[in-house]
Amino acid sequence: AQRVTQPEKLLSVFKGAPVELKCNYSYSGSPELFWYVQYSRQRLQLLLRHISRESIKGFTADLNKGETSFHLKKPFAQEEDSAMYYCALGSGNTGKLIFGQGTTLQVKP
Amino acid sequence: DSGVTQTPKHLITATGQRVTLRCSPRSGDLSVYWYQQSLDQGLQFLIQYYNGEERAKGNILERFSAQQFPDLHSELNLSSLELGDSALYFCASSVVSKAYYGYTFGSGTRLTVV
Repeated sequence: AQRVTQPEKLLSVFKGAPVELKCNYSYSGSPELFWYVQYSRQRLQLLLRHISRESIKGFTADLNKGETSFHLKKPFAQEEDSAMYYCALGSGNTGKLIFGQGTTLQVKP
Repeated sequence: DSGVTQTPKHLITATGQRVTLRCSPRSGDLSVYWYQQSLDQGLQFLIQYYNGEERAKGNILERFSAQQFPDLHSELNLSSLELGDSALYFCASSVVSKAYYGYTFGSGTRLTVV
């Protein structure tokens, strides 16, 4: 079965500290993985896709097929990074995405 | 605003009633997706339409139905409402029928069933 697991509901760090938001997936085929972010009172928005291997707002994520993980990382957290982060798995020939339960990142001053 | 527009933003209704949620996709997007977000279930995929045709279906209840019209806007109909249907309903859109490029989300409709 296709599944996305984000083991932490809440991650709290101090400004300037490194951040790693964990995401593990279960999928037998070739996965498409995404990170979405929701800032307070704003809509969900795409942060990055594994296909593009880009860095957005200092965040990166590497697909590790051996560990079936797609952890989101940032070397130095900023207060404006505080938000809810969702990992999502796309598969097959449809646009369906399976979302993890989300992790709230709280960056303290 | 060329983003995804959802109406209404809030809806309060009684059990047993029927409601219609509306979504206008981002300009140029052909695919529309509906998701339900509740506290205990997280974001659950309901259904996808692409250029007027149903493309994928999730665990959508039989009491729920959706369609995409020729102008590409979509409606999600929820009937015989139960307390457990209270949730945030999101619509999203994309250019193609796959999630490859990611979605653009609407701000959601908060449905409260009393």
